Formats: sequence, structure tokens, C-alpha cells
Amino acid sequence: TQLLEQSPQFLSIQEGENLTVYCNSSSVFSSLQWYRQEPGEGPVLLVTVVTGGEVKKLKRLTFQFGDARKDSSLHITAAQPGDTGLYLCAGADRSSNTGKLIFGQGTTLQVKP
Amino acid sequence: GAVVSQHPSRVICKSGTSVKIECRSLDFQATTMFWYRQFPKQSLMLMATSNEGSKATYEQGVEKDKFLINHASLTLSTLTVTSAHPEDSSFYICSASAQSPYEQYFGPGTRLTVT
Repeated sequence: TQLLEQSPQFLSIQEGENLTVYCNSSSVFSSLQWYRQEPGEGPVLLVTVVTGGEVKKLKRLTFQFGDARKDSSLHITAAQPGDTGLYLCAGADRSSNTGKLIFGQGTTLQVKP
Repeated sequence: GAVVSQHPSRVICKSGTSVKIECRSLDFQATTMFWYRQFPKQSLMLMATSNEGSKATYEQGVEKDKFLINHASLTLSTLTVTSAHPEDSSFYICSASAQSPYEQYFGPGTRLTVT
């Protein structure tokens, strides 16, 4: 069974601080997605990483896929209150050919002004 | 692009009644749609995978007779919660896959409250 362990589960920081969220597994994933969800809304796709060692940047967000494609990280530089939300990593389930995703437990981020 | 809508956004119903939730892909054809349930401050729990024109595949522990899924077209899937009970109260979210099978685009969710 493929599992994704996401950490930390909760993070409360001050505006301007940096943070990193980790997503780890003992299984190899063909691709990994990061989503952000605000309260009462559906998750929004931020990025997809496919190649081992890949780094993608989205403004102040940097996403990295591990060389072995078993782990990923999300780094936010100079966090702002607008970054507050639930961050979810998700990997493609290899046992399914329907696009089923395996989700991490989520990281609830609160950025205080 | 890749916009998914859900209707209604919020519904309150009485115990024993049925509720239908619609999920539509507005600007793309979705071969596969997914239905999730989410509890407060938790991750998404997949309930079922729905393919157009075929029966849905339910996850272990999800009652298919209670949560009826119909995927009538490439842009519409519906979830009907039958004989709803207070424990069915939750946030239900659908998603749809576009070109890449592993990139899912989510609807805004439906808050169901059963009284």
C-alpha cells in the first residue's frame, strides 16, 4: 500500500518567516501534486512534479521532487497571511489506471500578520 | 481553464430524506470524476471513482447503495446521499481529470447538514 506522510500537520508562523512542508513515502510515485485549500472551498492545484530532482517555482513557493521520486517538499519564502490554508500533497496511485490519487494528511498553515 | 462546478454549495436536509449533489466540468470533458468526503481540518477521503457510462468504483467501507453515483456524460456526475442521517453531515467534494490523468481539478465543495 502506498502511503504519503506529510509533516508538519500544523504550522503557525509570523508574516515574513520561511517554512518548509515535507511529503515522504517509501514508495516511488510517477508524479506528485501539491494543492492548497482554503476553508469551505475545494483544493486548488498548485503544481505537478514528474521528474526526479525536479524543482519548480511559483512566485514565493518552491517545490522539489526527490531524486528517487519518493518524497517532495514545498518551501515558502517570506510567508504572507494570504498563504494561510491547508496544503495537500498527492501522488499517483500505481495500482490504479484511473488517475486515483493518494493524499497526504495535509498541513494546516496559519500566517499571522 | 479546467473549471469544475458543484451544486448546491450548501444544503440542509431532514434525516431520512435524499440529497443529490451535481458536479460539472465546465470547460473540458472529464473521462473520470472522483467523489471525496472531508472532515474538519483533515485531508480528503476518496469515496468513489466514476467513469462516464459505467458503474462507479467504490472505496472499501463506502456503501454503494447509500451513496449513489451516476456519471451520465463527460461533463456531469451526480452523488445522491440516500436516506441521509446526521452522521452523513460532511463536506463533499468532487474532482475531474482533464488531459493528464493524475491532475485533478476540484469543485468548490458541498456542505451537507442532516438534521
